[in-house]
Amino acid sequence: DAGITQSPRHKVTETGTPVTLRCHQTENHRYMYWYRQDPGHGLRLIHYSYGVKDTDKGEVSDGYSVSRSKTEDFLLTLESATSSQTSVYFCAISESTGLAPRQFFGPGTRLTVL
Amino acid sequence: AQSVTQPDIHITVSEGASLELRCNYSYGATPYLFWYVQSPGQGLQLLLKYFSGDTLVQGIKGFEAEFKRSQSSFNLRKPSVHWSDAAEYFCAVGDSGYALNFGKGTSLLVTP
Repeated sequence: DAGITQSPRHKVTETGTPVTLRCHQTENHRYMYWYRQDPGHGLRLIHYSYGVKDTDKGEVSDGYSVSRSKTEDFLLTLESATSSQTSVYFCAISESTGLAPRQFFGPGTRLTVL
Repeated sequence: AQSVTQPDIHITVSEGASLELRCNYSYGATPYLFWYVQSPGQGLQLLLKYFSGDTLVQGIKGFEAEFKRSQSSFNLRKPSVHWSDAAEYFCAVGDSGYALNFGKGTSLLVTP
């Protein structure tokens, strides 16, 4: 299995508080992604990174920001959490951008915003 | 824009029976197609992928999928289902390097 860890694995927070989720990889892959998973929606891309300090928005980026200061770490920040951001968050890394890039997924972080 | 449709939200099959999960995609060029499986409380595991060549792709755990360009489909099959196959299955389409577009998933229930 690809070396991907996410922290924390579970978090309960209150509306209006800032939250930061961390994704850490040991594979030295260039591409990293944040998805959220909600019932009936599958996985939707929030943000992705194609290198250190290089990031871009995905389909559902409103209310989220990201940072990548090192190859191995990709942080997702909810500046002011809302109940609609209650979800399971998955980090993924991509081993290549060539033919059929294959993504490996982390174990997920379950976030509850009260 | 590329998209994926999984028409079946839930499927129930008996253990030992055959399985087919449907996936239709919308994409202008030759797509990169994937099937992932997610067991309860777990992350996603890649079952198989297609990008070119033989349209019948073999994956892990005895799964296979067939790419049919004329039908814009990439259906997942298994000849004999085991109770441990009960999980959520996601079809996804990717482009040249960035993110994947996932379908909404099909939940598989396996009965004795």
